[in-house]
Amino acid sequence: AAGVIQSPRHLIKEKRETATLKCYPIPRHDTVYWYQQGPGQDPQFLISFYEKMQSDKGSIPDRFSAQQFSDYHSELNMSSLELGDSALYFCASTLGTGTGDSPLHFGNGTRLTVT
Amino acid sequence: SQQGEEDPQALSIQEGENATMNCSYKTSINNLQWYRQNSGRGLVHLILIRSNEREKHSGRLRVTLDTSKKSSSLLITASRAADTASYFCATPPPQGGSEKLVFGKGTKLTVNP
Repeated sequence: AAGVIQSPRHLIKEKRETATLKCYPIPRHDTVYWYQQGPGQDPQFLISFYEKMQSDKGSIPDRFSAQQFSDYHSELNMSSLELGDSALYFCASTLGTGTGDSPLHFGNGTRLTVT
Repeated sequence: SQQGEEDPQALSIQEGENATMNCSYKTSINNLQWYRQNSGRGLVHLILIRSNEREKHSGRLRVTLDTSKKSSSLLITASRAADTASYFCATPPPQGGSEKLVFGKGTKLTVNP
């Protein structure tokens, strides 16, 4: 079965550079989530989209932006990168019910290293 | 703010033993989910238990939910080395209307062969 695809798998950037992470959800899933996970930490919710519209926002810095395109893939754009942005970034998708009882399907993440 | 807190933070057992991980949460919930994460990989959904359920089984997994104590436990029976991973509980936000999940800090399980 098709899973959530994220690219790139690894990314190395320098401080103050920009990065773009891509996510391709499971076909027919209408909701996409972005999470950030620091070393040894739990995943922290950044932002989500339902049917290409932003549906929820978490602890996403103003330097970050995201969107969901007509083909449902999503991109997380990160600018003015800081050392503290080094983390695993996960995308997850689900078929939303609005009741919070749909399991999330995660991609394998993008490991971003900022030097 | 953190919704779920797991304990222990780390657990090391021998193959064949049972592993129990606990999760406590702060506010009312509609459901609680458990996820597993192998090192450096994405999280994988294990099981969902609704607020009106007390216990649920899936293979070697058994999940309990005590809404009066705002706690849940995940039991893995007859553990295997392949069960080595971090386990997270997760809940939707108390205000509802959203699919996003708030994760606890996780329990790192090591099963020694």
